Amino acid sequence: SQQGEEDPQALSIQEGENATMNCSYKTSINNLQWYRQNSGRGLVHLILIRSNEREKHSGRLRVTLDTSKKSSSLLITASRAADTASYFCATWNTGNQFYFGTGTSLTVIP
Amino acid sequence: DTGVSQDPRHKITKRGQNVTFRCDPISEHNRLYWYRQTLGQGPEFLTYFQNEAQLEKSRLLSDRFSAERPKGSFSTLEIQRTEQGDSAMYLCASSSPGISAFFGQGTRLTVV
Repeated sequence: SQQGEEDPQALSIQEGENATMNCSYKTSINNLQWYRQNSGRGLVHLILIRSNEREKHSGRLRVTLDTSKKSSSLLITASRAADTASYFCATWNTGNQFYFGTGTSLTVIP
Repeated sequence: DTGVSQDPRHKITKRGQNVTFRCDPISEHNRLYWYRQTLGQGPEFLTYFQNEAQLEKSRLLSDRFSAERPKGSFSTLEIQRTEQGDSAMYLCASSSPGISAFFGQGTRLTVV
């Protein structure tokens, strides 16, 4: 079963704009990871944030984590058409279980 | 290629037949996961190995499904007496404690 939910389910923006997607989860976690998936392909790991971290950056990606609210956000700055994909958060909980959310489908319009 | 590899990439089978998928994890990873994903949904956890031990199985894994990791390296997932509802992408991932999980490209199963 899935432990997280992403919000929004779908997002459509113009190239150059920023995209923000949110993830909420249910249990205590060791870390949270964000993945990208292009249609019909495997999942590509983007970034990992540990439970004792609040913010992390990687290139155009910025991830925040609020363990008190059991939520995380992924910000993609200066979006490109190639960023069009589905984005999933996945939580590694304290029981060593690794569960995915429902995903946000991002469309970047050139 | 040092990533996670899955074989085959695509499988079409008739209802009632058995199928077996293989996953070769990244060699230094001791954890291996299997997930199932249907169109428009997130990956659903099926089962998890640490070395050769199968530590957890989802309730989604009916008695027609079995997974093995005999030597703590590659893993196989077998589906017996396939049903049309088994049509999905089957994803494998590997990791070690404290590091990210990396996924293979998946095996797309179509049951006709």
